[in-house]
Amino acid sequence: DSGVTQTPKHLITATGQRVTLRCSPRSGDLSVYWYQQSLDQGLQFLIQYYNGEERAKGNILERFSAQQFPDLHSELNLSSLELGDSALYFCASSPAWGNNSPLHFGNGTRLTVT
Amino acid sequence: AQSVTQLGSHVSVSEGALVLLRCNYSSSVPPYLFWYVQYPNQGLQLLLKYTTGATLVKGINGFEAEFKKSETSFHLTKPSAHMSDAAEYFCAVSVWGGTYKYIFGTGTRLKVLA
Repeated sequence: DSGVTQTPKHLITATGQRVTLRCSPRSGDLSVYWYQQSLDQGLQFLIQYYNGEERAKGNILERFSAQQFPDLHSELNLSSLELGDSALYFCASSPAWGNNSPLHFGNGTRLTVT
Repeated sequence: AQSVTQLGSHVSVSEGALVLLRCNYSSSVPPYLFWYVQYPNQGLQLLLKYTTGATLVKGINGFEAEFKKSETSFHLTKPSAHMSDAAEYFCAVSVWGGTYKYIFGTGTRLKVLA
């Protein structure tokens, strides 16, 4: 058990809809990362937050947004969903953003867009 | 730009045989290197990491990896494969670029034959 909790485990929704994925980092970790894993794209970095502030952006679409709350949990919002958004979405956490600690991953949310 | 290349998207070995999964990286600054394993329907789990110091790094489940700067490689090995080693393995590099960016390879799926 990595200590990172992601909910829900599975999500099935229709095109055009909006969903919210939730992540609770390991106790004491201040940094949260979001990744998208699909068969054709591999593991793609989306966005990173540290202590409530956005620190880095990767290949995140404008239809996607995220935030980290004062209690350090994070939410990834996906809107105007398309079939191609179907993927596994992982959250990972680390203690900080400046000390190269390994990332600890949750078990992911599998999103299916129909 | 930093990148990670994993040679062989699929590798098959017999039970008891040597496991060798290849990883090469490209980085203009000293990288920190990681190997992660992903079992079906689970998140990525840290196997081992190289930051500084000894170039031969031992990890969990009998795996080890050697950092070779001259070859820009960080290959993962295990002397004797076990059926439970069947999983997908990801090499990752972390480099500083205003924040630490974690870049993952495309993964190698290991199959262990009885």
